Amino acid sequence: NAGVTQTPKFQVLKTGQSMTLQCAQDMNHNSMYWYRQDPGMGLRLIYYSASEGTTDKGEVPNGYNVSRLNKREFSLRLESAAPSQTSVYFCASNYRQGSTGELFFGEGSRLTVL
Amino acid sequence: AQSVTQPDIHITVSEGASLELRCNYSYGATPYLFWYVQSPGQGLQLLLKYFSGDTLVQGIKGFEAEFKRSQSSFNLRKPSVHWSDAAEYFCAVGRGGTSYGKLTFGQGTILTVHP
Repeated sequence: NAGVTQTPKFQVLKTGQSMTLQCAQDMNHNSMYWYRQDPGMGLRLIYYSASEGTTDKGEVPNGYNVSRLNKREFSLRLESAAPSQTSVYFCASNYRQGSTGELFFGEGSRLTVL
Repeated sequence: AQSVTQPDIHITVSEGASLELRCNYSYGATPYLFWYVQSPGQGLQLLLKYFSGDTLVQGIKGFEAEFKRSQSSFNLRKPSVHWSDAAEYFCAVGRGGTSYGKLTFGQGTILTVHP
């Protein structure tokens, strides 16, 4: 049981390049989330998907897009990367909204934008 | 808007000593409160959570936390720290219900344990 798997684990981009972070969970969770972690700022929610077929903005959505491909997969896309998007990105999932199920996190994807 | 403050950026304790990590929150309704731990290069793991009921909650790895509504606090404690507890700790608040996974995190507290 792998839990939440993120790829890639590390990526270096140049300003203006695009890329997609992939996330998959094998726990049959309905809800999935993308957070970014920056030093001294904790984690901030970028986008989330309450259920398959729905996505909503979080606290810091600008510069990102997401796709809930199916129940298992939730991708995060940077269309034109900027240095301000240098961060560690975490995908998370939980059972369903309205439950008290805990959030399960992936191991993170470290992105550097030059 | 909800917010979480962890006043201590870095705490150092000796192995075997007691530990208290502070967390203060701002929230307009009954909060759902969490403590997560992050080891270097890893994701976050839930230590404990408070939704309602007994204000003293027990978690994994011997941690506990106490919810004090009057002080808007949810401090994490451990009576005797082990070297393996060295990590970064995050307090988080959520609204529960349909917004369960939408958490607001504190800035984190890095714990160093001296032998």
